[in-house]
Amino acid sequence: RKEVEQDPGPFNVPEGATVAFNCTYSNSASQSFFWYRQDCRKEPKLLMSVYSSGNEDGRFTAQLNRASQYISLLIRDSKLSDSATYLCVVNLARAGSYQLTFGKGTKLSVIP
Amino acid sequence: NAGVTQTPKFQVLKTGQSMTLQCAQDMNHNSMYWYRQDPGMGLRLIYYSASEGTTDKGEVPNGYNVSRLNKREFSLRLESAAPSQTSVYFCASRTGNTGELFFGEGSRLTVL
Repeated sequence: RKEVEQDPGPFNVPEGATVAFNCTYSNSASQSFFWYRQDCRKEPKLLMSVYSSGNEDGRFTAQLNRASQYISLLIRDSKLSDSATYLCVVNLARAGSYQLTFGKGTKLSVIP
Repeated sequence: NAGVTQTPKFQVLKTGQSMTLQCAQDMNHNSMYWYRQDPGMGLRLIYYSASEGTTDKGEVPNGYNVSRLNKREFSLRLESAAPSQTSVYFCASRTGNTGELFFGEGSRLTVL
């Protein structure tokens, strides 16, 4: 099992739709989790951190399920500007670890 | 706000040539990272530096060397470039081993 796996995508959704991405991770001792957004030919940028209690930022909701070892990202009322690749990122727990592991990303295209 | 600055942004090399990618951050971050991103492979860690004076191998270190010149600067060197090193390289930094990772804009390297 790969350390971090994401929905393969691509997701093509109409404007206004709700779309959800899932990500699974293999190390049960992983400590911190993030969703990054990457626009075409640009650098990744933090979208939101994922907390155990779940967190929301406007139209975006992130959830963490430690028992099943997955995180999710829900985007409501999709906008054209949401079109991007969404990267799941996990901070794996190893002694002195400074390494984050990235999923391969899920591409979202929001269609007019 | 410069953040993380990488140079050069584009480079074409011939097989066997050497070059150094430069990275500097002005956020007083302790840890710095070099990733490469290839289609279908996601972001893979080449080397990282947890703090000034230390460097460690990541997932794909072969063919690369790094230098943490000071707290601000972290360079990546290709001693003898190979076509397999054609990729987009991202430098990143953050405080310690938690929290948001900030990326540079990327360096697109082509090895012929």
